[in-house]
Amino acid sequence: GQQLNQSPQSMFIQEGEDVSMNCTSSSIFNTWLWYKQDPGEGPVLLIALYKAGELTSNGRLTAQFGITRKDSFLNISASIPSDVGIYFCAGRTGGGGSNYKLTFGKGTLLTVNP
Amino acid sequence: NAGVMQNPRHLVRRRGQEARLRCSPMKGHSHVYWYRQLPEEGLKFMVYLQKENIIDESGMPKERFSAEFPKEGPSILRIQQVVRGDSAAYFCASSPLSGGATDTQYFGPGTRLTVL
Repeated sequence: GQQLNQSPQSMFIQEGEDVSMNCTSSSIFNTWLWYKQDPGEGPVLLIALYKAGELTSNGRLTAQFGITRKDSFLNISASIPSDVGIYFCAGRTGGGGSNYKLTFGKGTLLTVNP
Repeated sequence: NAGVMQNPRHLVRRRGQEARLRCSPMKGHSHVYWYRQLPEEGLKFMVYLQKENIIDESGMPKERFSAEFPKEGPSILRIQQVVRGDSAAYFCASSPLSGGATDTQYFGPGTRLTVL
């Protein structure tokens, strides 16, 4: 099946630093999504990307849909303590009647030192 | 709160018992998805349902697992004769549309199942 390779697995940074994480795949995706999961909660959608090359921002978060459709990255600028959590990328293929299935990466655990 | 609701939030079962997980989608959503998350892993698709229909259960184990979304009431994920390997977080998501290119799945808080 499809797999997403997400890196890094974990990051430990100081408050105020910028953060970058990415996902790569051997398969093409038509949609890339970035979610954040807090402990004991479900994933919350941060950014959705629908076109190759698209660059989208949501506050201090910026994500890009790779030109090859096989990768995406998420940047967080000027991190704050509440950015702590697990960040997941997810991809969705289009067409074929199964474009509802989300394939998730294994997550990046972000820890922010105040 | 109009979000996706799941209960119970935590469920403990002994091996061989049955586990029933419930999911109420967001108001106005008629599409429900179930995902399983093992420790330190991403979510894995299990099943996609619409009211009274299973659309895709390709990610669900053939044995012991079943899902339904009746005309009235919540969606139910049932695991019969649970084993230790079933211990995981089970998430439900709902969407208003049918997997369109910009359709968004909204996730519930999950049910953490522990099998002793």
